[in-house]
Amino acid sequence: DQQVKQNSPSLSVQEGRISILNCDYTNSMFDYFLWYKKYPAEGPTFLISISSIKDKNEDGRFTVFLNKSAKHLSLHIVPSQPGDSAVYFCAAPNFNKFYFGSGTKLNVKP
Amino acid sequence: DAGITQSPRHKVTETGTPVTLRCHQTENHRYMYWYRQDPGHGLRLIHYSYGVKDTDKGEVSDGYSVSRSKTEDFLLTLESATSSQTSVYFCAISGTGINTGELFFGEGSRLTVL
Repeated sequence: DQQVKQNSPSLSVQEGRISILNCDYTNSMFDYFLWYKKYPAEGPTFLISISSIKDKNEDGRFTVFLNKSAKHLSLHIVPSQPGDSAVYFCAAPNFNKFYFGSGTKLNVKP
Repeated sequence: DAGITQSPRHKVTETGTPVTLRCHQTENHRYMYWYRQDPGHGLRLIHYSYGVKDTDKGEVSDGYSVSRSKTEDFLLTLESATSSQTSVYFCAISGTGINTGELFFGEGSRLTVL
C-alpha cells in the first residue's frame, strides 16, 4: 500500500512559466514532508520541506503548499528554468522509515 | 556534500550469485538506509540501521540482508541474486533520524542481474 502517491509521472513546462508538482498521502500520522530532486546518474538531493504546522514554505523559486484536510501537498517552481528538469520525489517520514512517492519527471523546455 | 561513498557503482552479475554492496560514510551519522529505485515505484526502503548492529526491515526486504559492524559502513547483501533485483540501489544517511531531518543520498549503485 503506497502511503505517498504522485499520480503524474511526467510534466512538461515552458521556461519562465510555473511548474506545479502534486503529491497525495494517506497516512494522517505524517507530520513532516520533503521534496527531493534527482538528476540522471546522481543520488536524490533535498530541495525543500514543510512541517504539518504550516501550510506554506518558500525558498527562492520553490514553494511547497500543504493541505492537511485533503492530505495533499504541492511544489511550485516559479519561474521554471531548463536546469530544473529532473525527477522530483515527495517524501514523508514516520517511525524512522521514509516513504517516497513514485516521482514526477519535469521537463522545462527552453 | 555529505560524505557518502557507494561501491561498486556498477555491477553485472548472474542469477544465483551473491552480491554485496557497500555504503561508507564519513559523517558519523547514526542512521543509514538502503533504497532501491525502479521505474513507476520511486524509492523503496529495503533495510535501515539505527546504530551499530541495529537494523530493521523496510518495505521490500525479502531477498536482502544487511550488516553494520561499524558506524561508517552499511553493507547490503543479496544472497542469491535474481533478475527482479536488477535496480539502482541508493544508500542514505541521517544524523537526526528522519522524523525531523533529511536524508543525504549516495550516488547510487546500478546492479544488473542476468
